[in-house]
Amino acid sequence: AQSVAQPEDQVNVAEGNPLTVKCTYSVSGNPYLFWYVQYPNRGLQFLLKYITGDNLVKGSYGFEAEFNKSQTSFHLKKPSALVSDSALYFCAVRDIRYTGGFKTIFGAGTRLFVKA
Amino acid sequence: GAGVSQSPSNKVTEKGKDVELRCDPISGHTALYWYRQSLGQGLEFLIYFQGNSAPDKSGLPSDRFSAERTGGSVSTLTIQRTQQEDSAVYLCASSLPGSYGYTFGSGTRLTVV
Repeated sequence: AQSVAQPEDQVNVAEGNPLTVKCTYSVSGNPYLFWYVQYPNRGLQFLLKYITGDNLVKGSYGFEAEFNKSQTSFHLKKPSALVSDSALYFCAVRDIRYTGGFKTIFGAGTRLFVKA
Repeated sequence: GAGVSQSPSNKVTEKGKDVELRCDPISGHTALYWYRQSLGQGLEFLIYFQGNSAPDKSGLPSDRFSAERTGGSVSTLTIQRTQQEDSAVYLCASSLPGSYGYTFGSGTRLTVV
């Protein structure tokens, strides 16, 4: 079964420092991986996706994620964190049982706190 | 519309009452999804509609939950005889055929008292 794991409930980082939010996955076949962000009192927003191609994927708001097949990981990164990056981040994987659409399985989420 | 619209944004109901949550997807998005986000939890898949195909109801937690999508557009999630454990934020998302990313609505926060 397809699944994603976000091992950290919370990540704390100082503003200006690099940040990493971890995600590991388990899929049958090639993974389709995603990151979403949920800002306080707002809906989820799509950040980036990995389908194929370069292992380093660039997304919105300066975020990027690195696909590592051997480690089955898809960690979210940003070189310099901003206080405004504080939010809840979800890693997700497409359930490949579905070919007509894209049922997505979400991780439990990681809350990022960026301190000024 | 410009985005996925959900209504109401907040709903407080008494235990045992029925509630209806509405989702209006982006025009042209044939795929529509309902998820539930409980406090401190991730997103729990509930149901998925794709065009005229039979919906995938595998995530509905009990037979008190049902959903329909009329005319391939607006969807209504109905919870009958609500229980306190139904309290959560109910999120709707839609996507284009073959699109990988979803657009989420702002959600309906349901509180059962």
